Amino acid sequence: GQQLNQSPQSMFIQEGEDVSMNCTSSSIFNTWLWYKQDPGEGPVLLIALYKAGELTSNGRLTAQFGITRKDSFLNISASIPSDVGIYFCAGYPGGGADGLTFGKGTHLIIQP
Amino acid sequence: GAVVSQHPSWVICKSGTSVKIECRSLDFQATTMFWYRQFPKQSLMLMATSNEGSKATYEQGVEKDKFLINHASLTLSTLTVTSAHPEDSSFYICSARKVGTDTQYFGPGTRLTVL
Repeated sequence: GQQLNQSPQSMFIQEGEDVSMNCTSSSIFNTWLWYKQDPGEGPVLLIALYKAGELTSNGRLTAQFGITRKDSFLNISASIPSDVGIYFCAGYPGGGADGLTFGKGTHLIIQP
Repeated sequence: GAVVSQHPSWVICKSGTSVKIECRSLDFQATTMFWYRQFPKQSLMLMATSNEGSKATYEQGVEKDKFLINHASLTLSTLTVTSAHPEDSSFYICSARKVGTDTQYFGPGTRLTVL
């Protein structure tokens, strides 16, 4: 099946630093989504991208849908303690009728 | 808006028993709901797609007779884990796709522990 390669697997940063993570796939995705999951909870949608080249912001978060439709990145600026969690990229490889394919996640840890 | 609830939030059961998990979209209608499973420190894996009024579609490797899915209304889907075994212990998360959109909203998950 479809696979998403997400990196890095984990990040240890200082509060206030910027964060960047990305996802790549071997095949074209029509939609890219970025979720955050806190321990013991379901994923919460952060940003949704629907068009190649699209750049979308949500507060301190910015994500882009790659031109090739095979990659996406998420940036977090000026990290704060509540940014700690696991970030997943996800997408629909087809027309959107299917369930989501998830990346393996990036575990963000912020050191005071 | 777009709130999805799951019940129960956690359940412990004995091996061999069946457990039912409910997924409800509270403030919107969803013709399609999805069930995912997440093992510790791993990503979410799609188990099945639940369509209102029709049979669920299961992903390869997921036993349909073990994981019974019913989507009886536009706001409720249930997952029943039949004859549960310790290896079924996992975090089960549902999502609901809002009618007319591609956006999936996730529930808070149900932690199943089978002793």
